[in-house]
Amino acid sequence: DAGVTQSPTHLIKTRGQQVTLRCSPKSGHDTVSWYQQALGQGPQFIFQYYEEEERQRGNFPDRFSGHQFPNYSSELNVNALLLGDSALYLCASSRPPESAEAFFGQGTRLTVV
Amino acid sequence: KNQVEQSPQSLIILEGKNCTLQCNYTVSPFSNLRWYKQDTGRGPVSLTIMTFSENTKSNGRYTATLDADTKQSSLHITASQLSDSASYICVVTTKTSYDKVIFGPGTSLSVIP
Repeated sequence: DAGVTQSPTHLIKTRGQQVTLRCSPKSGHDTVSWYQQALGQGPQFIFQYYEEEERQRGNFPDRFSGHQFPNYSSELNVNALLLGDSALYLCASSRPPESAEAFFGQGTRLTVV
Repeated sequence: KNQVEQSPQSLIILEGKNCTLQCNYTVSPFSNLRWYKQDTGRGPVSLTIMTFSENTKSNGRYTATLDADTKQSSLHITASQLSDSASYICVVTTKTSYDKVIFGPGTSLSVIP
């Protein structure tokens, strides 16, 4: 079991561009959550996908969108990139019950220049 | 407002010494509390999880305590090692129709020889 895998590991984009980050959940997990972690801060919740639908969303603008596929993998899309979008983007997968551990990927380091 | 606060923000200790990290939360209704260890540039890894009825949980040299009445938790690290240098993040889950996870900002721990 490869656990949660994210791609790419590092990415450099120019301000105004669009980016797509990918996440494959741990085997048996059906819920995927995305987080943004700025340097020196804790992760901030972006949104969560379950059964191919966005189930809950954090305080992020509409420039941040996502998708979950039938195989439970997920994408995070960010449009019109800003310098402030530079961060480590983490994907976590989980499954019921609520006490089950959420497993994190290694993250994608996005740098906007 | 659901919030998780941690103290201290950063900590430097000598190898072999013990330390205690603090977490205060205002999350309600409470489901569980986890402590995660996050190495620089990596995804968080779960250390312990505690539900409302548990007041202590150990994982090797890591011991977490929970006081659900005062809404406080601590993570005690015994006989610290250089590999303990990382960010330690307190995460609280609320008990709603689905999980809502709130991350603390983390405590950055540096263990020096």
